Amino acid sequence: EAQVTQNPRYLITVTGKKLTVTCSQNMNHEYMSWYRQDPGLGLRQIYYSMNVEVTDKGDVPEGYKVSRKEKRNFPLILESPSPNQTSLYFCASISRLDEQYFGPGTRLTVT
Amino acid sequence: AQSVAQPEDQVNVAEGNPLTVKCTYSVSGNPYLFWYVQYPNRGLQFLLKYITGDNLVKGSYGFEAEFNKSQTSFHLKKPSALVSDSALYFCAVREAHDMRFGAGTRLTVKP
Repeated sequence: EAQVTQNPRYLITVTGKKLTVTCSQNMNHEYMSWYRQDPGLGLRQIYYSMNVEVTDKGDVPEGYKVSRKEKRNFPLILESPSPNQTSLYFCASISRLDEQYFGPGTRLTVT
Repeated sequence: AQSVAQPEDQVNVAEGNPLTVKCTYSVSGNPYLFWYVQYPNRGLQFLLKYITGDNLVKGSYGFEAEFNKSQTSFHLKKPSALVSDSALYFCAVREAHDMRFGAGTRLTVKP
């Protein structure tokens, strides 16, 4: 089954404690992306990757890092999380037909 | 930069009636337009897209959208709403690798 998986699904952490949200896709897509979803703001793109070792900033990259060492994985790293990064995060994998496949989401709370 | 607006936070319709969820966009070049649906506690699911060609685009679950270049709109429509269509709907526009989503419209279909 074609899918995008994210882990963890829920995470409560404290300010400044580094964390990583993993994302993996099994569709051999080259293009992947990270979004955050906040009420009233829709989804905003954090980072995207066009292929292995190729990443670029989206609309709201501050406070985030990504890596793309292999095609299937695209982890999101928060080096020093802050309360304003409390949000719902989605990873997406994009097909050659320009259709995005979203993961189930990671709800992050930073206290 | 491109942008997309969904002027209605909430749309309520009765089951069996036609539904319309509105979307307007702004891009500097040719628009790549999308509709996604989000059910509770789930990631977004692709519904349909407009890249080029016919102005009326058909998608999943009986939905369709009409691209109107003069009005810069891409409204989502369905001839007969179902209770199961109740969800959060997002319009999105892509320009190069930059993807922008609207704030979302919550559709409620009442029996």
